[in-house]
Amino acid sequence: GAGVSQSPSNKVTEKGKDVELRCDPISGHTALYWYRQSLGQGLEFLIYFQGNSAPDKSGLPSDRFSAERTGGSVSTLTIQRTQQEDSAVYLCASSLAGTGVTYEQYFGPGTRLTVT
Amino acid sequence: AQSVTQPDIHITVSEGASLELRCNYSYGATPYLFWYVQSPGQGLQLLLKYFSGDTLVQGIKGFEAEFKRSQSSFNLRKPSVHWSDAAEYFCAVAPTGTASKLTFGTGTRLQVTL
Repeated sequence: GAGVSQSPSNKVTEKGKDVELRCDPISGHTALYWYRQSLGQGLEFLIYFQGNSAPDKSGLPSDRFSAERTGGSVSTLTIQRTQQEDSAVYLCASSLAGTGVTYEQYFGPGTRLTVT
Repeated sequence: AQSVTQPDIHITVSEGASLELRCNYSYGATPYLFWYVQSPGQGLQLLLKYFSGDTLVQGIKGFEAEFKRSQSSFNLRKPSVHWSDAAEYFCAVAPTGTASKLTFGTGTRLQVTL
C-alpha cells in the first residue's frame, strides 16, 4: 500500500520568505508526527497530532513554526520568515495509534529545505 | 529529560563480518526502544523495537538487538554484514505508555568494504 508521502521533495527559498511543507499520512493512521533532521542538531521532534486531541507542540523551535492537520489526515508545516538555520530535512511520520504495542511510526522520504 | 547516546559516529566493517552498533539511553524508567535505518536519500525504516518481555528482539534484514537494563543499553547486532547494509543507523527511545515522540541518537554511519 501507499506509504507516507511528502511534498515538495526539495524546496529552495530566500531568507525571510514563508514556506509550507505537506505530509500525506498512511490512510487510517490517526497519529502524525513532524521531525527535523539537520547537520548540527540531528533528528529532532517538532510536533505530534493524535486524533482530535490538541497537538503536542513541545518541539517547535520558535513561534515562526506552526502546523495544522485538516480532517485528521493531511498535515501542513508552515515556517514563517525563514532563516538560514531552518535549512534541514523535514520528516513526517504516521502511526496507527499514539500509544500501546501497535505503535510504530512510518516515515516519509522528507522535504529538503534550503534557505539562501 | 531522556537522551540517547550512540558513541560511534562511523564504523567500517568488511562484508561477511559481524556487526555491533552501540546505543545507551538515559531515562527514569524502561522506555520503548527502537532502531531505524536510513539509506542515502531515503526515509527512516524501522528495523526492530522493544516494548517489554524477551530482551532479545529480532528484526528485519537479519538484525537483532538486546536490551540490557543494568547497562541502559540496546545494542544492534548482525552476524554477517552485507554490502547493502551500508547506511546510517539511529537508535531511538519513546516514553513508556505514551510512545508519542521519539528521541533519537546522533546516528552511526556504517560503511561496508568488499
